[in-house]
Amino acid sequence: KAGVTQTPRYLIKTRGQQVTLSCSPISGHRSVSWYQQTPGQGLQFLFEYFSETQRNKGNFPGRFSGRQFSNSRSEMNVSTLELGDSALYLCASSNGGTQETQYFGPGTRLLVL
Amino acid sequence: AQSVSQHNHHVILSEAASLELGCNYSYGGTVNLFWYVQYPGQHLQLLLKYFSGDPLVKGIKGFEAEFIKSKFSFNLRKPSVQWSDTAEYFCAVNSHAGNMLTFGGGTRLMVKP
Repeated sequence: KAGVTQTPRYLIKTRGQQVTLSCSPISGHRSVSWYQQTPGQGLQFLFEYFSETQRNKGNFPGRFSGRQFSNSRSEMNVSTLELGDSALYLCASSNGGTQETQYFGPGTRLLVL
Repeated sequence: AQSVSQHNHHVILSEAASLELGCNYSYGGTVNLFWYVQYPGQHLQLLLKYFSGDPLVKGIKGFEAEFIKSKFSFNLRKPSVQWSDTAEYFCAVNSHAGNMLTFGGGTRLMVKP
């Protein structure tokens, strides 16, 4: 099976802009989770989508949003970008059960200038 | 809220030395436990996981971890490290209440040839 894919891999934006990142899960996986990785805060959970519904949400402002499509592909959107949003954004997929392993994609590296 | 602590931020070892990385979590309920590894320039990969049963779990590349419930710990071990083990290691916890991982701060391991 192909792994989790994320596009684009690199992105440069300026403050105030918005950005959309895309994630395609492993075939058959119905849960997609998003994480932010920064040197200062480490890996932090953003949100999880399962069957097109947000099932869990981390402690991030409303500027961070996401959605999931019927084919389980997911997008996350960050509006009104701030310098502090510069990070590696990771997507992970799983079957969605309670004892499941999450498999990670390569990430999208976002730089906000 | 659950939290995960990795006490060693940086570890430097010579090849063939033994490795033990500490991980403690705070959550009173049932948890799933994971160790992920991030090699330079690569994405997060699963090393091993514990869901239930035998508290000593074996993973890939000769790694193992022991779940000690009374100590809320899930330490990672390897009897003899190799230069190729140079990477950053993350301990993560997922409570049964939700499919979202809480990560420790990571441990950067450097193995000198």
